Amino acid sequence: KAGVTQTPRYLIKTRGQQVTLSCSPISGHRSVSWYQQTPGQGLQFLFEYFSETQRNKGNFPGRFSGRQFSNSRSEMNVSTLELGDSALYLCASSFVTPSTDTQYFGPGTRLTVL
Amino acid sequence: QKEVEQNSGPLSVPEGAIASLNCTYSDRVSQSFFWYRQYSGKSPELIMSIYSNGDKEDGRFTAQLNKASQYVSLLIRDSQPSDSATYLCAVNKASNTGKLIFGQGTTLQVKP
Repeated sequence: KAGVTQTPRYLIKTRGQQVTLSCSPISGHRSVSWYQQTPGQGLQFLFEYFSETQRNKGNFPGRFSGRQFSNSRSEMNVSTLELGDSALYLCASSFVTPSTDTQYFGPGTRLTVL
Repeated sequence: QKEVEQNSGPLSVPEGAIASLNCTYSDRVSQSFFWYRQYSGKSPELIMSIYSNGDKEDGRFTAQLNKASQYVSLLIRDSQPSDSATYLCAVNKASNTGKLIFGQGTTLQVKP
């Protein structure tokens, strides 16, 4: 089975711009979660989508948003970029059942904001 | 108090030794627990999940969960230089959802 894929792998943007990142989950996985990883804050949960609905949300400003399509692919958008948004953005997918919720991560998108 | 706490290390062990990594969590209702390994510049890779009290073994890795004491640990037997990485402990407070809370990670160095 193919793993989680994320595009693009690297992005360089300037302050004030917006960016869209894409994630394709493992086939059959309907849950997609997004995380931000920085050296200072570590891995922080952004949001989770399940069956095209946002099911959980972390403590990030409204500039961070996402969506999920009917094929479970997901996108996240960051508007009005700030320098502090520079991070590794990770997507994880899972086949969530009452007995298992293991998440598998994609390779990540490295975003640099100048 | 952070929800999931790990000693940042580095934890240094000689090749062939047992490495012991620990993690504590604050929320008693936490349901599922995971250990991920992350090499520098790479994404987290799942090592093991554990859901009930006790030990779970997978090859050289053993995860231990004690819900009463709110800690989870990972033992790596016969440590190899290739095990040198950051080990992330993650907790899911509710079953059936995809929201993981991560610790800051412990850096493990295995010296030949």
